[in-house]
Amino acid sequence: DVKVTQSSRYLVKRTGEKVFLECVQDMDHENMFWYRQDPGLGLRLIYFSYDVKMKEKGDIPEGYSVSREKKERFSLILESASTNQTSMYLCASSLRGGGNTEAFFGQGTRLTVV
Amino acid sequence: AQTVTQSQPEMSVQEAETVTLSCTYDTSESDYYLFWYKQPPSRQMILVIRQEAYKQQNATENRFSVNFQKAAKSFSLKISDSQLGDAAMYFCAYRRFSGNTPLVFGKGTRLSVIA
Repeated sequence: DVKVTQSSRYLVKRTGEKVFLECVQDMDHENMFWYRQDPGLGLRLIYFSYDVKMKEKGDIPEGYSVSREKKERFSLILESASTNQTSMYLCASSLRGGGNTEAFFGQGTRLTVV
Repeated sequence: AQTVTQSQPEMSVQEAETVTLSCTYDTSESDYYLFWYKQPPSRQMILVIRQEAYKQQNATENRFSVNFQKAAKSFSLKISDSQLGDAAMYFCAYRRFSGNTPLVFGKGTRLSVIA
């Protein structure tokens, strides 16, 4: 059974803290993605990575960075958390290329910044 | 840039009835893929159905089928014999045919199933 695992389901952090959201996949996928999900806005792409140490900005990268040191792990970093980053964060992975390849998602992390 | 529009923020359906969720998209490309994903209240997103744009035949997966109208850039999802477990957020998504590109999602439709 394929799996994408996010390290936390719920997280509460203070404004200004550095926050790490971790995602691990066990499918040997080349691609990994971080999306942000907000009511009425759907899923918006923050960053994606197509290989170790490779990354590309998505639609809303401001205030975020990412790290991919190993193929199976993709981390989202909030350098200085702000209240407007309170949201649901979804990690996903897929094989490289082939437009019909399925993306597999983690269970999501609900982040609250206070 | 490609965009995906889901014009129905919320829908409801009686158990055992049929419901159709709408999706339109905008692209200048001729070949691409379209997807419907389901996000149940437990939040793990799963693939429901996918359609290749170059195939004229509409995709079907058990009680789920699509109505793909390429000229109109429309990709609706029909759920037949609705069940309580179908209650979820449904997202329509687009991906380019070639290249290693991410999915582009619509804003989602929340489907409620009434017993």
